[in-house]
Amino acid sequence: EAEVAQSPRYKITEKSQAVAFWCDPISGHATLYWYRQILGQGPELLVQFQDESVVDDSQLPKDRFSAERLKGVDSTLKIQPAELGDSAMYLCASSPALDDGYTFGSGTRLTVV
Amino acid sequence: QQQVKQSPQSLIVQKGGISIINCAYENTAFDYFPWYQQFPGKGPALLIAIRPDVSEKEEGRFTISFNKSAKQFSLHIMDSQPGDSATYFCAASGTTGANNLFFGTGTRLTVIP
Repeated sequence: EAEVAQSPRYKITEKSQAVAFWCDPISGHATLYWYRQILGQGPELLVQFQDESVVDDSQLPKDRFSAERLKGVDSTLKIQPAELGDSAMYLCASSPALDDGYTFGSGTRLTVV
Repeated sequence: QQQVKQSPQSLIVQKGGISIINCAYENTAFDYFPWYQQFPGKGPALLIAIRPDVSEKEEGRFTISFNKSAKQFSLHIMDSQPGDSATYFCAASGTTGANNLFFGTGTRLTVIP
C-alpha cells in the first residue's frame, strides 16, 4: 500500500535554531497538506499545496514558518527560529485531487528545548 | 473557534460492547465527514467517511450516523475489541475550493478485556 513518507521521525532542537521537515507524498497525488498536532489535540492545517502552488496558508505563522513544493512533488516545511511552543507532531498528508480523501504520513515529532 | 466539537474526551468500554463518539458542526458548507483512527506515534488513518446525502454508512463493525438537520454525526463501533483502543478524530470539510479538514479534539478509546 502506498504511503506518505516523512523524515525525520523525531527531532530535538534548541530554541532559536532552525529546523526542517521533509515529506514525499504518494506518487501522483497533486494535493499536499502540512498539519500540526499538539499533544492531546486534533491536527490543524498549516499549509495546503495544489501541485507547486499554495492553496491555503492562512494559518501558517509566516514570520517563522515557510513551506515549499518546488517541483510539485516532495515538500519541505521549515521553522526559523524555533520556539518552545512549536513542540508538536508535524503531519504531512496527500490526496489525488482537492475533493478526494487524503492519507497521512507518520509525522515528525518535534521537541524544542 | 472550534469548527467541529467532539465528545466524550475519553471512553472506556468492555470488550464486546458498543463504543459511541459524537461530533457536532456549525458550518453548513461542510459536506464531507470522515473519521480517523490514530495510534500512538502514528499519523491518523482514515476509518470511514460519509457525505450528507445518506444518513448512515456501515463498514464492518464501524457505522457513521449522520443527522443533517441537527448538524451532528456519530461513530459507532460494534463488538469493540482491545485492538480498537486508539484515539478517534471526527473531521469535516467542504468540497468546493480548498478542502482542508477541520478536526475535532479527539476521543481516547480504551477497550478492556
